[in-house]
Amino acid sequence: NAGVMQNPRHLVRRRGQEARLRCSPMKGHSHVYWYRQLPEEGLKFMVYLQKENIIDESGMPKERFSAEFPKEGPSILRIQQVVRGDSAAYFCASSPLEAYGYTFGSGTRLTVV
Amino acid sequence: DQQVKQNSPSLSVQEGRISILNCDYTNSMFDYFLWYKKYPAEGPTFLISISSIKDKNEDGRFTVFLNKSAKHLSLHIVPSQPGDSAVYFCAASAASSGSARQLTFGSGTQLTVLP
Repeated sequence: NAGVMQNPRHLVRRRGQEARLRCSPMKGHSHVYWYRQLPEEGLKFMVYLQKENIIDESGMPKERFSAEFPKEGPSILRIQQVVRGDSAAYFCASSPLEAYGYTFGSGTRLTVV
Repeated sequence: DQQVKQNSPSLSVQEGRISILNCDYTNSMFDYFLWYKKYPAEGPTFLISISSIKDKNEDGRFTVFLNKSAKHLSLHIVPSQPGDSAVYFCAASAASSGSARQLTFGSGTQLTVLP
């Protein structure tokens, strides 16, 4: 039973490009969460999704960031027109229906040059 | 506005001794607390949790204590082992609210267990 799979592990983008981060939840998990960790800081909540639904996006920046969890396939966190301040580790987590403890993936480290 | 604070960025402990990691919170709506452990280049791993209806939860070498009146929780690791060396994050959620699944994390404490 594979854990939460995130890819790519490392992503380098030039300013102004788009970044797409993918997350496949654990088998049987119907909830997906995205968190961002800036250097020397804790993880900050971005968005919580279920299949085809965004449940809570209160942590998402208002512009350039979007997330989806389609009926088929992985969850995608998309960052348009990246800027240097977007450089961070982005972690995806998943959980089953009624649980508060997440299982995290290994993260995608985004570097904007 | 840091709602969950881990004021010690680092802690060093001798192998076999007790490690005590502390966490303070300000949001009185928080009613569920978790500790995660993180190794470099990996995602956080869930360790132990506690609901606000309890003041203690134990799992093997790990015990979490919650003092609701002081809005303080701590993680005790006894005995500490070199493999426990990692960054430990405290996290909280308002489980009974509309944002139940959103965790608020502290900034972490780097624990180093010296052999």
